[in-house]
Amino acid sequence: KAGVTQTPRYLIKTRGQQVTLSCSPISGHRSVSWYQQTPGQGLQFLFEYFSETQRNKGNFPGRFSGRQFSNSRSEMNVSTLELGDSALYLCASRPLASGAKRTDTQYFGPGTRLTVL
Amino acid sequence: DAKTTQPNSMESNEEEPVHLPCNHSTISGTDYIHWYRQLPSQGPEYVIHGLTSNVNNRMASLAIAEDRKSSTLILHRATLRDAAVYYCILRGGGSQGNLIFGKGTKLSVKP
Repeated sequence: KAGVTQTPRYLIKTRGQQVTLSCSPISGHRSVSWYQQTPGQGLQFLFEYFSETQRNKGNFPGRFSGRQFSNSRSEMNVSTLELGDSALYLCASRPLASGAKRTDTQYFGPGTRLTVL
Repeated sequence: DAKTTQPNSMESNEEEPVHLPCNHSTISGTDYIHWYRQLPSQGPEYVIHGLTSNVNNRMASLAIAEDRKSSTLILHRATLRDAAVYYCILRGGGSQGNLIFGKGTKLSVKP
């Protein structure tokens, strides 16, 4: 099975612009989560989607948004970019959205490295 | 989810065993202990998880203290490829779908 794929792998934007990142989960996985990783804050959860619905959200401003399509692919969008949004954005998929949260495994993609100038 | 404490960094020699500790003194009876690792320039990857009994898989072993307040991830023969940040994460009955990452332990492996 192909792993989680994320596009693009690298992106450079300027302050004030917006950006859209894409994630394709492992085939058959219906849950997609997004994380932000920075040197200062580490890995932080952004949001999780299942069946095209946001199921859970981290503590990020409304500039960060996402969506999931019927084929489970997901996109996240950041509007009005700030310098502090420079980070590695990671997508993770898992097969279930409920019932096995204590034991299920999340599969991460390689991430999209976003640089805001 | 309860909090975990790990050393910031550890060093190991290649082909020697490595014991990575994790303290979780506030663990509840239903919390599973998960380990993930993140190799340089990659996303995190699952290593192993357990509840009470020690667990083994092809990547590592997980030794869980009898009182479950601590656990140890054991890499039996470290290779250069095992150099990574290792995260110990608890997941309980009230967990949402996301993982809550701490700072982890950065493992360096010397040839």
